[in-house]
Amino acid sequence: AQSVTQPDIHITVSEGASLELRCNYSYGATPYLFWYVQSPGQGLQLLLKYFSGDTLVQGIKGFEAEFKRSQSSFNLRKPSVHWSDAAEYFCAVGARNFGNEKLTFGTGTRLTIIP
Amino acid sequence: ETGVTQTPRHLVMGMTNKKSLKCEQHLGHNAMYWYKQSAKKPLELMFVYSLEERVENNSVPSRFSPECPNSSHLFLHLHTLQPEDSALYLCASSQDLAANYGYTFGSGTRLTVV
Repeated sequence: AQSVTQPDIHITVSEGASLELRCNYSYGATPYLFWYVQSPGQGLQLLLKYFSGDTLVQGIKGFEAEFKRSQSSFNLRKPSVHWSDAAEYFCAVGARNFGNEKLTFGTGTRLTIIP
Repeated sequence: ETGVTQTPRHLVMGMTNKKSLKCEQHLGHNAMYWYKQSAKKPLELMFVYSLEERVENNSVPSRFSPECPNSSHLFLHLHTLQPEDSALYLCASSQDLAANYGYTFGSGTRLTVV
């Protein structure tokens, strides 16, 4: 079965600074990979996803993520964060088996933005 | 409305009450999910439905009873809950059970058991 690890529970970044959130997965082949964002009291919103092809994926709100097979990683990046980016971020992995395969979510990384 | 809608947004109930959470999706998806999100815990998958048939029940206590009358609606019936059941309950839907589509989530119901 697949698994996903987000090693950073909480990250604090200054507004305007760059951001990188880490995600590592465990799976026997190339999985489907996702990043979701959750604002306080809200559900999860899809930021971006990787299926195949170009390993650098662009998402909404200026986010991007890079799939690195050799490192089993799918880190999320943003060149310049805004105060509105403060939220919880979840990485998720899905298996490429046909049929009943659910997404497995990481434990999340809480992002705090300071002025 | 579009997307996944959950009602109510907030619910406070006593341990002897019976209440229901409702989820509705307008995306034409065939799979629906209930998740529990507690503070400082990972997302917990509770139930999975595909074409109105329950395909997964992750050892959830019987005080939680799901119902999926059609592919657009999903309910979670609650009775005799415990304080530790207080959490954010999230509904999600997907095109089907294949992982490549990802999930669309509702805004959740914040449940407090007193």
